Amino acid sequence: GAGVSQSPSNKVTEKGKDVELRCDPISGHTALYWYRQSLGQGLEFLIYFQGNSAPDKSGLPSDRFSAERTGGSVSTLTIQRTQQEDSAVYLCASRDSSGSLGEQYFGPGTRLTVT
Amino acid sequence: AQSVTQLGSHVSVSEGALVLLRCNYSSSVPPYLFWYVQYPNQGLQLLLKYTTGATLVKGINGFEAEFKKSETSFHLTKPSAHMSDAAEYFCAVSDLGGADGLTFGKGTHLIIQP
Repeated sequence: GAGVSQSPSNKVTEKGKDVELRCDPISGHTALYWYRQSLGQGLEFLIYFQGNSAPDKSGLPSDRFSAERTGGSVSTLTIQRTQQEDSAVYLCASRDSSGSLGEQYFGPGTRLTVT
Repeated sequence: AQSVTQLGSHVSVSEGALVLLRCNYSSSVPPYLFWYVQYPNQGLQLLLKYTTGATLVKGINGFEAEFKKSETSFHLTKPSAHMSDAAEYFCAVSDLGGADGLTFGKGTHLIIQP
């Protein structure tokens, strides 16, 4: 079946612009995660959605970052007023939380370059 | 707070040799531990996971890892390296069985010499 998909695969933007990154999780997966992968910081957890519960935003690095998940499926990560340090690969993962030990399945990522 | 330390940002082995990638963790509760592999320009793929029970865990592609609580370690091994094993490997820890956001190590780049 289809895996986690992300779009766009690459995004180049100018400093100060806003960007939106999209994640389509595996159908039926109720949990969705965003991570950031950068050379300096490695893989960092950003935010986690579980069903209709309030998201866990504990990993968001600043208030310029936000995410939403509409209809319990597709998620959008928005970065406002982008900075050069936001350049990274943004990974999305989803999980079938019907079992307590389900693994997280990752998408291919969106490579964001801020110039 | 959880943390993961992977010793060696780069490991180079000859084809056919033993692969050993080291991972140490800290966690305030019994951890759930994971190894993921990332091939160039791809997402992460789960190799194996430790939850409870048997401390020696077998994964895909001939990899295995052993959970040693006394050493707070979860090293990844493979008896005989193959060229296709060249990739980035990440160790991760979760306090909630992977339900929460995973805490990853910095990664180890595995190089296979012909």
